[in-house]
Amino acid sequence: DGGITQSPKYLFRKEGQNVTLSCEQNLNHDAMYWYRQDPGQGLRLIYYSQIVNDFQKGDIAEGYSVSREKKESFPLTVTSAQKNPTAFYLCASSLRPRGRSFSTDTQYFGPGTRLTVL
Amino acid sequence: AQSVAQPEDQVNVAEGNPLTVKCTYSVSGNPYLFWYVQYPNRGLQFLLKYITGDNLVKGSYGFEAEFNKSQTSFHLKKPSALVSDSALYFCAVRAYGSGNTGKLIFGQGTTLQVKP
Repeated sequence: DGGITQSPKYLFRKEGQNVTLSCEQNLNHDAMYWYRQDPGQGLRLIYYSQIVNDFQKGDIAEGYSVSREKKESFPLTVTSAQKNPTAFYLCASSLRPRGRSFSTDTQYFGPGTRLTVL
Repeated sequence: AQSVAQPEDQVNVAEGNPLTVKCTYSVSGNPYLFWYVQYPNRGLQFLLKYITGDNLVKGSYGFEAEFNKSQTSFHLKKPSALVSDSALYFCAVRAYGSGNTGKLIFGQGTTLQVKP
């Protein structure tokens, strides 16, 4: 899990509530990512950011929002518009190799946050 | 479309025996391939990756993987399994020239069970 922290470890949400998951890294990595993991489905990309103040939608961005105001932080908000938010959420970061694209970089993951809707 | 397949939901092996976890991929262009391991309620840990060069890649904890371009495979191997290797393993692929997004495509995962 290295220098990537996620909090809280467990989170419970009531119907209609927005909740924010924290992701912080002290690795000086350029890019940060949010994934959702459901049993038997592998990981699916929600949002990613390659630079401060910029982010892009992944495959399942509906019902989620993010911000990247600081290089080390990439919080994810799960809004009430997300109809099935119960899942394990993983944050990752990567360092862009000098002179190369992000294609070859290695993503390192945080310990995850398990979100349950009550 | 890019995709990754891990054809086995679970692999069972006896401690001390060799293990193989299979992965096949489909991308347009040259692939960049990764293996990760996940222990229960934990994040993913990076094991190894293939970018270019030698088809046999060595990684953490004694694991290695062989890139086979003709068979579009990247199987994970270890000569002698340990009980502590029991975990969920993910293969992932990224295509060269994938719009510089860094987006990884993950397989569904394979549970490795090593019995004493």
